[in-house]
Amino acid sequence: DQQVKQNSPSLSVQEGRISILNCDYTNSMFDYFLWYKKYPAEGPTFLISISSIKDKNEDGRFTVFLNKSAKHLSLHIVPSQPGDSAVYFCAAADSWGKLQFGAGTQVVVTP
Amino acid sequence: NAGVMQNPRHLVRRRGQEARLRCSPMKGHSHVYWYRQLPEEGLKFMVYLQKENIIDESGMPKERFSAEFPKEGPSILRIQQVVRGDSAAYFCASSKLAVGLDEQFFGPGTRLTVL
Repeated sequence: DQQVKQNSPSLSVQEGRISILNCDYTNSMFDYFLWYKKYPAEGPTFLISISSIKDKNEDGRFTVFLNKSAKHLSLHIVPSQPGDSAVYFCAAADSWGKLQFGAGTQVVVTP
Repeated sequence: NAGVMQNPRHLVRRRGQEARLRCSPMKGHSHVYWYRQLPEEGLKFMVYLQKENIIDESGMPKERFSAEFPKEGPSILRIQQVVRGDSAAYFCASSKLAVGLDEQFFGPGTRLTVL
């Protein structure tokens, strides 16, 4: 069963605009959430995380929002840059640290 | 401080052969996780190990797959009698502490192709 879902397989955004990536989860036991960025033929690279006791975490151009009641989180990238073109994975961790990943969203930033 | 290292980067095996994938965690990291990414899918958890212990192997197929993280040396993911469906990218990640206190750092992956 897919406990972490990214329902948008792809997103195209113009350079300089905001990219918004969405993620939903079903397991209320998840207490830590992460976003990873992945280029082809490379391993995922950690971007930003958020604990379930917070509703927002910001790091430079990246902000993650968590809505626990809706079991929903989102990643905002602003402004979007060409180098942001990659696949973005949402992940949720259980108490052991085991990550459940979404299927990913391919982001394409156009000039 | 070198990142997570995996070797080989690419591995080709014929059906029925054995595949051994190696992962050296980052220095100071004692938590190792293995994930598999099938084509067009996200990463799926396989196993979580600490030194000499398997903590959670709920994502490992019941047969042919095994993992270890010895006191000395890299973590090994072993696949016996490979089949075409084992073709995937296998990623190893390590962390100093369990996730929730520390993020996982991923290696570049091993791409296994079974002919």
